[in-house]
Amino acid sequence: AQSVAQPEDQVKVAEGNPLTVKCTYSVSGNPYLFWYVQYPNRGLQFLLKYITGDNLVKGSYGFEAEFNKSQTSFHLKKPSALVSDSALYFCAVLNTDKLIFGTGTRLQVFP
Amino acid sequence: ETGVTQSPTHLIKTRGQQVTLRCSSQSGHNTVSWYQQALGQGPQFIFQYYREEENGRGNFPPRFSGLQFPNYSSELNVNALELDDSALYLCASSAGLAGIYNEQFFGPGTRLTVL
Repeated sequence: AQSVAQPEDQVKVAEGNPLTVKCTYSVSGNPYLFWYVQYPNRGLQFLLKYITGDNLVKGSYGFEAEFNKSQTSFHLKKPSALVSDSALYFCAVLNTDKLIFGTGTRLQVFP
Repeated sequence: ETGVTQSPTHLIKTRGQQVTLRCSSQSGHNTVSWYQQALGQGPQFIFQYYREEENGRGNFPPRFSGLQFPNYSSELNVNALELDDSALYLCASSAGLAGIYNEQFFGPGTRLTVL
């Protein structure tokens, strides 16, 4: 069965510092991986996806993610965090035509 | 271009009651998926509707049912509400069956509280 795991419930980082939100996956076949962000009282917003090709995927709002097949990971990164990046982040894997989400990581960026 | 909208925003019901949640898909999208997000959890797939037919269902009991209308808007119905049904219900639309090239766009959700 397809699944993703987000090992950290919460990540705290100072504004201006690099941030990493971790995700590992378990899939049979080719992994199609996604990152979404959820702000309070808002729906999920798409950040980026990995289908194939370059292991470094660039997405919205300056975020990027690195696909690592040997470590079965798809970590979300940003070189310089902003306070406005504080939100709930979900990693997901596509299973046929539905998304399987992780439990989420709350990112807190403090000034 | 209008995004995905959901109504109502919030809803409070009591155990045993029935509820209907509504979703209007983004313009040009013919597929709607419903997800349940319990507090502190990631969204879980309920089912997907494609061209007015159910196309795929997650691990939810039959008291969760849905409809899709000719204009591709959708309803989620839940009968015999239980306390554990309290959650944020998310609707997502896509241009075709959700997949690697048909990205899902999510609405803001309906917060259902069952007392």
